[in-house]
Amino acid sequence: GQNIDQPTEMTATEGAIVQINCTYQTSGFNGLFWYQQHAGEAPTFLSYNVLDGLEEKGRFSSFLSRSKGYSYLLLKELQMKDSASYLCAVQDSNYQLIWGAGTKLIIKP
Amino acid sequence: SQTIHQWPATLVQPVGSPLSLECTVEGTSNPNLYWYRQAAGRGLQLLFYSVGIGQISSEVPQNLSASRPQDRQFILSSKKLLLSDSGFYLCAWNGRGHSNEQFFGPGTRLTVL
Repeated sequence: GQNIDQPTEMTATEGAIVQINCTYQTSGFNGLFWYQQHAGEAPTFLSYNVLDGLEEKGRFSSFLSRSKGYSYLLLKELQMKDSASYLCAVQDSNYQLIWGAGTKLIIKP
Repeated sequence: SQTIHQWPATLVQPVGSPLSLECTVEGTSNPNLYWYRQAAGRGLQLLFYSVGIGQISSEVPQNLSASRPQDRQFILSSKKLLLSDSGFYLCAWNGRGHSNEQFFGPGTRLTVL
């Protein structure tokens, strides 16, 4: 079967760094996406990785290791507005997205 | 620029009633269109996707159906709602390139009583 695993919830302090991990087992791999979803709102795109390595976009970075079936999203200089759920999604061999349940990130002052 | 609209934003319906949710996309042509459902605290479940007018693929057997009467219009329907149909319904689109990210509409929160 296809499976995406993420921690259910994480807590971090404003101004700190947090790493959200995602492991996957899918039928084929054509890329991994990270989305941010604030409560009651639609997900918004953060990053896309298809090759191994680190992609950096401002305060957010995403890493991929295809051999390990592993990715992480790194958030630096945390702000209160970063409190949200972070969804990991893998594009399988049919180019369909398989979604993780999301990690709820709580930022404390 | 492209925009995606969904309505209504919230809906409360009795069990056994029909359902029609509409999604439209502006500023692009021939998009891939998707309907997802998200239960509270859960990930996104793909319900239907469409690569063109009249072309619908169903991912999960259920009492829901989808139609694409026009290039940029995607409709989710049910003849008789169940309690288990409650959830957050999201429409999304992306372009024809395989690595293109999906863009989501604002969603419809459906409560079936």
